[in-house]
Amino acid sequence: ELKVEQNPLFLSMQEGKNYTIYCNYSTTSDRLYWYRQDPGKSLESLFVLLSNGAVKQEGRLMASLDTKARLSTLHITAAVHDLSATYFCAVEAQKLVFGQGTRLTINP
Amino acid sequence: DTEVTQTPKHLVMGMTNKKSLKCEQHMGHRAMYWYKQKAKKPPELMFVYSYEKLSINESVPSRFSPECPNSSLLNLHLHALQPEDSALYLCASSQEPRNYGYTFGSGTRLTVV
Repeated sequence: ELKVEQNPLFLSMQEGKNYTIYCNYSTTSDRLYWYRQDPGKSLESLFVLLSNGAVKQEGRLMASLDTKARLSTLHITAAVHDLSATYFCAVEAQKLVFGQGTRLTINP
Repeated sequence: DTEVTQTPKHLVMGMTNKKSLKCEQHMGHRAMYWYKQKAKKPPELMFVYSYEKLSINESVPSRFSPECPNSSLLNLHLHALQPEDSALYLCASSQEPRNYGYTFGSGTRLTVV
């Protein structure tokens, strides 16, 4: 059974700092997704990573995928308060399985 | 149209009520999904419809009954729910194949009293 683990689960950081969220998964897959969720809201798609070595960037967020290590990272550069949210990775292997989520709080 | 539309946005129902959640998309996606999300937890897959046929049922209790009347519409019929079924119910759709990912609706916040 596919297991997806994120760490850290909680992250409090200051504006302007850099940090990385990690997503490990247990079985072979070449499709990994990152989503953002604001409190009480739905899931906003951030990145779709489809192959080993894929790297995508949007603004202050950059995601990468290493299928051999079964690891994806979401890197935040020079964080701003607006990035405060819960971030989920999700891995597809016959069905989409989500990690536990990382609750990110960015303090001024 | 690049959206998945869910109605209602909020629903309060008693344990003896029958209600339905509705999900609609006009992107030509041929796979549609129901997810349940409890507070502070990740979404959990309930059902998958592919080309209007039920392809995955994640051992969901029979008090939840999905229906896919056509390729654009997905319903979730609710009957005799329990308070622990209170959650955010998310609908999603995707193309077949799924290279472009999944599009999620805004969800229905369900409270069972």
